[in-house]
Amino acid sequence: KNQVEQSPQSLIILEGKNCTLQCNYTVSPFSNLRWYKQDTGRGPVSLTIMTFSENTKSNGRYTATLDADTKQSSLHITASQLSDSASYICVVREYSGGGADGLTFGKGTHLIIQP
Amino acid sequence: SAVISQKPSRDICQRGTSLTIQCQVDSQVTMMFWYRQQPGQSLTLIATANQGSEATYESGFVIDKFPISRPNLTFSTLTVSNMSPEDSSIYLCSVGWDYEQYFGPGTRLTVT
Repeated sequence: KNQVEQSPQSLIILEGKNCTLQCNYTVSPFSNLRWYKQDTGRGPVSLTIMTFSENTKSNGRYTATLDADTKQSSLHITASQLSDSASYICVVREYSGGGADGLTFGKGTHLIIQP
Repeated sequence: SAVISQKPSRDICQRGTSLTIQCQVDSQVTMMFWYRQQPGQSLTLIATANQGSEATYESGFVIDKFPISRPNLTFSTLTVSNMSPEDSSIYLCSVGWDYEQYFGPGTRLTVT
């Protein structure tokens, strides 16, 4: 069964500090991995998407890494801001060629930035 | 890209009643997806709504409980029928392709 496990479940850091969120998956065959940010009361918004051949991808202060061999990904947030407080969801797409969404969602890491 | 709007944004409903959630996309799409996000849980796909055909439901979800309409390529509705407190969740509409997925803002439903 395809699974996406995220850690930690929740994290509290001080404003300005860096943090790293982890994602392990068992989805196969693999197509791509996405990180989403979900603010309270809002839908998820895409931060990055990585395919098999990509190891690192940045989006501003967000940097995602992917190790397709070990099936692990991380999301690093640099110089955190209060607006980074949100849930961060790791989503892996199975190479399915159509039909249902082919997506497996993690439960997310709930990040709180304290001033 | 796609911009998705949902109505209502939130509602509080009584047990045994039904609520219809609307989803509007700013571009024509073949497939629209409906998800449920229960507190502390990951998103779970309810069904895939294709224009011109019956929706396809995932295991554990049935048409009598979650009827879906898809009258055109930019609009869909999800009805949560005969609600119970266990239906309290965020319901999300989504459209996507191989390398991107867009979500609506969600409808937060509380059943009392």
